[in-house]
Amino acid sequence: AIQVTQSPSSLSASVGDRVTITCRASQGIGNDLGWYQQKPGKAPTLLISAASSLQSGVPSRFSGSGSGTDFTLTISSLQPEDFATYYCLQDYTYPLTFGGGTKVEI
Amino acid sequence: EVQLVESGGGLVQPGGSLRLSCAASGFTFSDHHMDWVRQAPGKGLEWVGRSKDKIRSYTTEYGASVRARFTISRDDSKNSLYLQMNSLKIEDTAVYFCVRVSSPGGHDAFDVWGQGTMVTVSS
Repeated sequence: AIQVTQSPSSLSASVGDRVTITCRASQGIGNDLGWYQQKPGKAPTLLISAASSLQSGVPSRFSGSGSGTDFTLTISSLQPEDFATYYCLQDYTYPLTFGGGTKVEI
Repeated sequence: EVQLVESGGGLVQPGGSLRLSCAASGFTFSDHHMDWVRQAPGKGLEWVGRSKDKIRSYTTEYGASVRARFTISRDDSKNSLYLQMNSLKIEDTAVYFCVRVSSPGGHDAFDVWGQGTMVTVSS
């Protein structure tokens, strides 16, 4: 199975900060990677698919990049509602695998 | 409104069985892969498995930790997805989410999630 290593596992940031989260796949996955946001007690929501395609309705401060094995989620200017846990998911091959998550805290 | 509603969670003893259901509405169910994702208390997300769409003959895929114990099925006439869980282990304790998969440009996007149903495996 493809392993997806997400880093950091947590970070502290302030409103207005630029935040970068990274996922590294154990083998090349093209651009078959998505990013999800989860707030406490809620189901995750889709932010980005195909590494860089912003889901409709998601603010433009979120962006994704990368291909092959290295991927990045960037929040250009952190807002109060962005404090949450973020997960990447590779959909290149079965079994699909999530990264371990990154908790973004104040 | 596009919606997924899970049901069937509860407390079960180790070695027991449980069947989860997911009722879908607001979209053409047969056009979509449907997945189950779980989350153990305080832990990250784990992909459980998939029922592929009608075009792909509803074939199924599973994560390694549940293969041979869990079975995913669907009834398109009822717009429903199911997860039959057998030989349950304590480590299967989790919130189970039903997820719609859309595939824009051939890439999977988990674009609709249910609210989740809690399964607790304990003696």
